[in-house]
Amino acid sequence: GAVVSQHPSRVICKSGTSVKIECRSLDFQATTMFWYRQFPKQSLMLMATSNEGSKATYEQGVEKDKFLINHASLTLSTLTVTSAHPEDSSFYICSAEDAAANYGYTFGSGTRLTVV
Amino acid sequence: QQQVKQSPQSLIVQKGGISIINCAYENTAFDYFPWYQQFPGKGPALLIAIRPDVSEKKEGRFTISFNKSAKQFSLHIMDSQPGDSATYFCAASSRGDDKIIFGKGTRLHILP
Repeated sequence: GAVVSQHPSRVICKSGTSVKIECRSLDFQATTMFWYRQFPKQSLMLMATSNEGSKATYEQGVEKDKFLINHASLTLSTLTVTSAHPEDSSFYICSAEDAAANYGYTFGSGTRLTVV
Repeated sequence: QQQVKQSPQSLIVQKGGISIINCAYENTAFDYFPWYQQFPGKGPALLIAIRPDVSEKKEGRFTISFNKSAKQFSLHIMDSQPGDSATYFCAASSRGDDKIIFGKGTRLHILP
């Protein structure tokens, strides 16, 4: 089945620094990937839709300049949290759609970001 | 505006019992209804999914029941086991929109 690899699984960074999270589709090509944020005991909140070769589409209220998304190839999307602050600490999850599976959305294992 | 409403928020079931989680949606354009299972510290994993052309889909101990006229769908877990303890999310999406809309989740705990 479709596999999405997300790295790193955990990261601790100092306030003011930037952190990059990678999301790779291992056995399929994904023209579209999605980035979510999840707070403890809450549902997934869609942050942005990442489109290969074009700009990401951000959801209302998500700061484009803080959460930079790059989808440089059909198998890789990256999310960079710039100038991170403690309030950016959260669980970030990516997902990709395997078009061949006809609506198959596969999720990565998530990245726990802690900003100190 | 909550497009997918999920209930209950939490559920405790005895081992061997039936766990039932319900979801309701508003957008009639939705044509794909998946259920995801999430363990702490992990990403969601697709459990089972259904399209509106069928009223029920069964995979092992997991069954989705779908009522198109009522715009409701539910997940039934038969013979619930402690290993089923997790958070379950229902979701919905439509062919014309890449986005998948999640319910708020149900924390299921199966008593040993």
